[in-house]
Amino acid sequence: DTAVSQTPKYLVTQMGNDKSIKCEQNLGHDTMYWYKQDSKKFLKIMFSYNNKELIINETVPNRFSPKSPDKAHLNLHINSLELGDSAVYFCASSPFIDGQETQYFGPGTRLLVL
Amino acid sequence: QKEVEQNSGPLSVPEGAIASLNCTYSDRGSQSFFWYRQYSGKSPELIMSIYSNGDKEDGRFTAQLNKASQYVSLLIRDSQPSDSATYLCAAMEYGNKLVFGAGTILRVKS
Repeated sequence: DTAVSQTPKYLVTQMGNDKSIKCEQNLGHDTMYWYKQDSKKFLKIMFSYNNKELIINETVPNRFSPKSPDKAHLNLHINSLELGDSAVYFCASSPFIDGQETQYFGPGTRLLVL
Repeated sequence: QKEVEQNSGPLSVPEGAIASLNCTYSDRGSQSFFWYRQYSGKSPELIMSIYSNGDKEDGRFTAQLNKASQYVSLLIRDSQPSDSATYLCAAMEYGNKLVFGAGTILRVKS
């Protein structure tokens, strides 16, 4: 009974392509996030949505565009992929409890750009 | 740029010993702190959260928070080989933004 799921698990693609990663949570949480973990294992937030509204938008190239069709889904579309986009992308979700929102992570999508 | 600092390790401890993991943070406004464990090739998994100064215990794990010193630690008692992983410290900033440290690699030797 998966709480936060992501598809695909692995993604290998060529530079310049456009790709999407999908995330779904069945925890009833209001807030969802995208994180990027680079080769040095540093985990950094990219975006967050609360009930389909963009809350956090870090300094991320505008080739990255999140979309939240409903509060249980948050997808990430990446245009014109570059070598430096190779990383593991984690989706996470949290309930909306002011100041103490524990975030639960999905299994990750391993993106390799060739 | 607000930061969370951790010693990257590896920290090696013998089985049964206490492992002590430390973390400092720069944002005095942070009120919530989290320790996640990440096995190689897996996603971060929450170990402990702590919001108030002092100690919080959960089984073999104890989190300690000192807001005056901007210091968070995690103690793992009776360390097991299965505790070998990367431990990520995170501080929550305004807007539910989690800022992670680079992680400390823990190796428990049997």
